[in-house]
Parts: sequence; C-alpha cells; structure tokens
Amino acid sequence: DGGITQSPKYLFRKEGQNVTLSCEQNLNHDAMYWYRQDPGQGLRLIYYSQIVNDFQKGDIAEGYSVSREKKESFPLTVTSAQKNPTAFYLCASARGLNTEAFFGQGTRLTVV
Amino acid sequence: QQPVQSPQAVILREGEDAVINCSSSKALYSVHWYRQKHGEAPVFLMILLKGGEQKGHEKISASFNEKKQQSSLYLTASQLSYSGTYFCGTEDYGQNFVFGPGTRLSVLP
Repeated sequence: DGGITQSPKYLFRKEGQNVTLSCEQNLNHDAMYWYRQDPGQGLRLIYYSQIVNDFQKGDIAEGYSVSREKKESFPLTVTSAQKNPTAFYLCASARGLNTEAFFGQGTRLTVV
Repeated sequence: QQPVQSPQAVILREGEDAVINCSSSKALYSVHWYRQKHGEAPVFLMILLKGGEQKGHEKISASFNEKKQQSSLYLTASQLSYSGTYFCGTEDYGQNFVFGPGTRLSVLP
C-alpha cells in the first residue's frame, strides 16, 4: 500500500541534543513538507521541498534543518538551536506544490 | 499571514448542522479543507479554486467567495464521525500556503 511513514511515533531527547525525525513516502510525490503542530496554533510550516536536492524554508525554519537526497525521503533535524522543540511534528507529501497533501501519523518529540 | 477561522470550537448533537468559516486578509487563489481526528493525521477533504465554486464531500460541502476572501465549510446532519479539528489552508497568488488555527468540532449522541 502507498503511503507516508514517520518514525518514531514518540521521541524523547535531552536538551542540547540534535535529533532527526524520519519521513518516507512511496507515493512518488515530488513535494514534501514538514509541519509543527502546537495546541491552538494549527499547522506551521517548517520546510518544504518540491524536488530532490532542493528545499525552502517555511515560516518557522530557525533551529531546524532538512535534506532531500532521495525523492522518497525528507528527514528533519531538530537542532539544539531550536529554543522550544517539544511539539508534534507532521510530515506530508503531495504531487505538486499546494495540491492535496497526504500526512504521516506524526512524531511527538519531548525534550527534557 | 494565517487565515482566521470561526468559531474556534463548536459542540453539536448528532443530526444538527454546522458552518465553519475561514477568512483571509489576502487575495486567495485557492482554499483547502482538512479534518484531523484526535491523535491522527490530518485528512484532506477538498480544494476550492478561485471562481466562487462550491464542492461537496459526503454531507460536507464548502463554498469559496473569492471577492470576500473567505470560505465556508458546511456540515449537514452531522454524524459522530465528524468530530475532530477542521483546518482551512489558504493559497495566495504568490503560491504561499498557510493553515488556519483550526476549529474543534464535537458531535455528541
């Protein structure tokens, strides 16, 4: 079955450590996105990519980094520079920019 | 700039109707609607393009008034399965896309 997979579902890290969240899709989608979800604030765009080896910053990119070496994969690294990293992170993919997006099940990151 | 959604939350009895509004300060090319059930991923409902179109999905429909820069989502004869948070997403003519803060809908038996 085609879909988008995020792992792990829950992640705990100590403050000051970098952590990488995985996102894989087998839908042959060109566009991939990372969103952060906090209570009452909807979905805020961190980074997006329209094509392999290219990505753009979203609204809240500071403290995050991404790579897009393969069409199927779009990992997100939460660096120690992110001041408030505890959140629910959602990855999505789409055929093209601003078309119907398919979301993964999310990773809940807790930094202690 | 994030669109405004109203109401923030609504509670319904099964079978009642609801309207969720989404408005933007920018000229819009399209409006997208998603539903997210608690603890799950958001699921796409529909996209409305400029031109004031109206779309339907089961008993859920939506309209897009380009001139007023707003869209409304209509849920008729609500079912328990409609409970969740509804997000609108707006795309402007610069291809900038942003989600609204969401409207939490609770349908009670």
